[in-house]
Amino acid sequence: DTAVSQTPKYLVTQMGNDKSIKCEQNLGHDTMYWYKQDSKKFLKIMFSYNNKELIINETVPNRFSPKSPDKAHLNLHINSLELGDSAVYFCASSQGASGGAGQFFGPGTRLTVL
Amino acid sequence: AQSVAQPEDQVNVAEGNPLTVKCTYSVSGNPYLFWYVQYPNRGLQFLLKYITGDNLVKGSYGFEAEFNKSQTSFHLKKPSALVSDSALYFCAVRDDTGTASKLTFGTGTRLQVTL
Repeated sequence: DTAVSQTPKYLVTQMGNDKSIKCEQNLGHDTMYWYKQDSKKFLKIMFSYNNKELIINETVPNRFSPKSPDKAHLNLHINSLELGDSAVYFCASSQGASGGAGQFFGPGTRLTVL
Repeated sequence: AQSVAQPEDQVNVAEGNPLTVKCTYSVSGNPYLFWYVQYPNRGLQFLLKYITGDNLVKGSYGFEAEFNKSQTSFHLKKPSALVSDSALYFCAVRDDTGTASKLTFGTGTRLQVTL
């Protein structure tokens, strides 16, 4: 069973389009995250939700809007895509907002903006 | 803010030899430190963590890490490297921001194990 899953795995789109990435976890965790990994493999947190409530919102353009319909899902919607949005986006989950037990990551979604 | 540094972009080791991947930290308060591994085209996998207790932490796949407070280091080690250990390794520190916490990652170290 996949613990943290993301769809799609690959996403190729044109500049200016709007796209969504979905994430689901079946670990029963109450906290979920979105990370962005750039072409140099640098990994940075974007958002975190705890029990469907936004608790971390890093300096991210407001074209990015996360949505958590329930504790097991955290989706990422991106409006007006730009070339610089090309990256691998990872979803993660943990039990508790402290993340002390470690976070579990999904396989990633490779977004390419042309 | 908390931070970690991984001074080596790449580490090359022959199979069977011991390996060390370096990480130093800068924190205020007690550090919560983690190591993750990323295999090609895969997500990150949790290896081990240090919160408190013994300075030598044992993790998955035979890896261990040594917490050294005086040197502010948390180096990842393995007594005998395998070719299958070749991957990208990330050190991370828990950064508390009010009621929430986030992981701040280092820049990653690519481990290459050759026959």
